[in-house]
Amino acid sequence: EVQLLESGGGLVQAGGSLRLSCAASGFTFSSYAMTWVRQAPGKGLEWISGINGGGDSTYYADPVKGRFTISRDNSKNTLYLQMNSLRAEDTAVYYCAKTTGLRYFDYWGQGTLVTVSS
Amino acid sequence: SYVLTQPPSVSVAPGQTARITCGGNNIGSRSVHWYQQKPGQAPVLVVYDDSDRPSGIPERFSGSNSGNTATLTISRVEAGDEADYYCQVWDTSSDHRVFGGGTKLTVL
Repeated sequence: EVQLLESGGGLVQAGGSLRLSCAASGFTFSSYAMTWVRQAPGKGLEWISGINGGGDSTYYADPVKGRFTISRDNSKNTLYLQMNSLRAEDTAVYYCAKTTGLRYFDYWGQGTLVTVSS
Repeated sequence: SYVLTQPPSVSVAPGQTARITCGGNNIGSRSVHWYQQKPGQAPVLVVYDDSDRPSGIPERFSGSNSGNTATLTISRVEAGDEADYYCQVWDTSSDHRVFGGGTKLTVL
């Protein structure tokens, strides 16, 4: 059974940093791309970053490019999102998702809430 | 960047057919994926690559894609289908993945 468990969310002041983690199990982690998607309170889904299985190709949405860094440790079956220079508009639930063929997200974690206070 | 347009809401009576559209420029040339999200829960993939269903998703859920519109069709709608639905594509020109704004399905 595929399981994805996010952690690392919390309350942070504007300008601060957080690192999110996503622990994966139930599939061959290194064989799949992974993605971070966020959802601001009462809003829709927003793709923010992706990484291929080997970790050598990364992708970012414009609102987070230069501030967020996606990475993975295939030896630990864990995905990360380093978030720097946080802004109030980064407040959201952050989901990690297993990604098939770089195209679609077939399994999702339950999400972790990041709140940025201004 | 590529834009996907969904109606904010769709309402349907139980047992009827719901159709949720996703508009985009020449979207028929792209693969479209659909997600269901119930309140307080993570999204669930219900259709991928325009019309394929993951295991465990009822046959009542189907998809189509042509021209400038992709459609998620839910047949014999049940109260449990009430949720937000999102379409998504891969914009290969920017390497960004894009979501539509979401459609709230209400079962009357």
